Amino acid sequence: QSALTQPASVSGSPGQSITISCTGTSSDVGSYNLVSWYQQHPGKAPKLMIYEGSKRPSGVSNRFSGSKSGNTASLTISGLQAEDEADYYCCSYAGSSHWVFGGGTKLTVL
Amino acid sequence: QVQLQESGPGLVKPSETLSLTCAVSGYSISSGYYWGWIRQPPGKGLEWIGSIYHSGSTYYNPSLKSRVTISVDTSKNQFSLKLSSVTAADTAVYYCARVRDYFDYWGQGTLVTVSS
Repeated sequence: QSALTQPASVSGSPGQSITISCTGTSSDVGSYNLVSWYQQHPGKAPKLMIYEGSKRPSGVSNRFSGSKSGNTASLTISGLQAEDEADYYCCSYAGSSHWVFGGGTKLTVL
Repeated sequence: QVQLQESGPGLVKPSETLSLTCAVSGYSISSGYYWGWIRQPPGKGLEWIGSIYHSGSTYYNPSLKSRVTISVDTSKNQFSLKLSSVTAADTAVYYCARVRDYFDYWGQGTLVTVSS
């Protein structure tokens, strides 16, 4: 199983919207609606932001949204805030109780 | 509130076995769900190492399968990771997490350095 493909970095100004893509294959992202997204600040553990493609855990801002088309999932953050600056990772179920993560995307808020 | 806490040596010699334990509080492992290990080399991304079901069934990343063993001790409400024949490439922060259709609760992570 190969890592999912994410852009290394994205950036946006406060108030703008950005989208991070996560491309997998028909064996993972394309086969299951089980993509999740994690936010990681430096020195901290990852935090679940989106699960099952588009659902938000309790307490996560509705500025975060997820979607999927074919083998590519996307995380959109609207109304960018300084606190959103972090690394973001996607993760997909890959069958047989296996999981695969993306390489991560560094979000810079300009 | 579910909490997970990793523990184990922070320094392991090359060719030896890395051993970590994840203590779970706020939820009984025997009640269900999978429990997993994820690692992150310094400056790099996350890598799923493997998961264990509360019954003891295990699932490993194919790239690490020959060196990994995950076990569970429901009496102590904890699960463990063993990674054999380590090299410098195994230096990473190791996280434990609860696994549903996503990883919802994570430990704080523990840095393990492989060096002589």
